[in-house]
Amino acid sequence: QVQMVESGGGVVQPERSLRLSCTASGFTFSRYPMHWVRQAPGKGLEWVAVISHDGDNKYYTDSVKGRFTISRDNSKSTLFLQMNSLRAEDTALYYCARDRGIASADYFFDYWGQGTLVTVSS
Amino acid sequence: EIVMTQSPATLSVSPGERATLSCRASQSVSSKLAWYQQKPGQAPRLLIYYASTRATGISARFSGSGSGTEFTLTISSLQSEDFAVYYCQQYNNWPLVTFGQGTKLEIK
Repeated sequence: QVQMVESGGGVVQPERSLRLSCTASGFTFSRYPMHWVRQAPGKGLEWVAVISHDGDNKYYTDSVKGRFTISRDNSKSTLFLQMNSLRAEDTALYYCARDRGIASADYFFDYWGQGTLVTVSS
Repeated sequence: EIVMTQSPATLSVSPGERATLSCRASQSVSSKLAWYQQKPGQAPRLLIYYASTRATGISARFSGSGSGTEFTLTISSLQSEDFAVYYCQQYNNWPLVTFGQGTKLEIK
């Protein structure tokens, strides 16, 4: 069955960095665009970034452009999110989510991991 | 950015009754609208996409309708497991997809 497990979250000081990972199984990872979506405590969902199935195309929400980098290793079925210059407003549960589309992104999400919590605090 | 507005914020319905949740877009999103269900401590689950297509394994009690700027999620004959938070999401304006703020469906 499709499964995605995020890791790498934790408590970090403002302006520091953190790298999140999402290890996928149960499907051909290399065929699917992948996303990061976050949810601040007690709040709604916010799309963060997407990467094409082959890693060639990446897009970000404006608030993280220049600070976050999405990447993937298809040989290891793993998605990453490198987060630099973290701010208090980046505090959230970060989900990796599979795009429903194959090869080409549909931009909605048919499977989600359970999330990894990032807390930015001094 | 397309702003998605869901109403009401909280909906109280008795088990066995029907629930109707609304989602409005600040500009047309055609039929590129998805609905998700999220229970406490769980990840969201895809229910509906392209406004009215049920995702794999989703009960026929869930139905979606609408196009353009006005959308509705209807849950017929509410079961205990349906009480959750529901989010709509537009994906017409990709990559800047946006979600509504959510509607909490609670037991009356």
